[in-house]
Amino acid sequence: ETGVTQTPRHLVMGMTNKKSLKCEQHLGHNAMYWYKQSAKKPLELMFVYSLEERVENNSVPSRFSPECPNSSHLFLHLHTLQPEDSALYLCASSQDVQGGSGELFFGEGSRLTVL
Amino acid sequence: AQRVTQPEKLLSVFKGAPVELKCNYSYSGSPELFWYVQYSRQRLQLLLRHISRESIKGFTADLNKGETSFHLKKPFAQEEDSAMYYCALRLRNDYKLSFGAGTTVTVRA
Repeated sequence: ETGVTQTPRHLVMGMTNKKSLKCEQHLGHNAMYWYKQSAKKPLELMFVYSLEERVENNSVPSRFSPECPNSSHLFLHLHTLQPEDSALYLCASSQDVQGGSGELFFGEGSRLTVL
Repeated sequence: AQRVTQPEKLLSVFKGAPVELKCNYSYSGSPELFWYVQYSRQRLQLLLRHISRESIKGFTADLNKGETSFHLKKPFAQEEDSAMYYCALRLRNDYKLSFGAGTTVTVRA
């Protein structure tokens, strides 16, 4: 499969659960991103990885823990979340972190509901 | 910090009518501006970027540094243009892409 793939597409979890979101890109890109899309709010950048190294942690609570084992895979580990964390979590990739066209390629998102 | 404002949450036009989506930004340097679009049941994707000065699907956008605006225009809207549109900004050679809140466009027959 080409492009950016996210799993699961939908996730419902309790506040004490531990779950993970997975993102995989087949574009040969060097940079990967996690964005949060909440209702009525702009997309919020959460984390940025360049060649498996984290270059941005945008004041995200520690209950969100990213992992980038290689340049094709990105995870978002979730634990002890709050109901206000319910949102659509978008993964994206780009050729490089800086320069280039600036185009981001997005996955379809993982819809998270925290009960 | 840079900020992107899309004042219209919803925009409804008739097929064949012109459509203009407003985008204003606050940043004093030289930003790069983009328009992203999300059609129903599809992923968010790039529509056009100001550097390319291109017309995509009949849409154009001109960067007006004096008014700090990057409005998206199409002279004759089509039903397939119905979608969510996001204006985005990044600083030159930076990786942070800041998005506006988005405008939902509905084109009626």
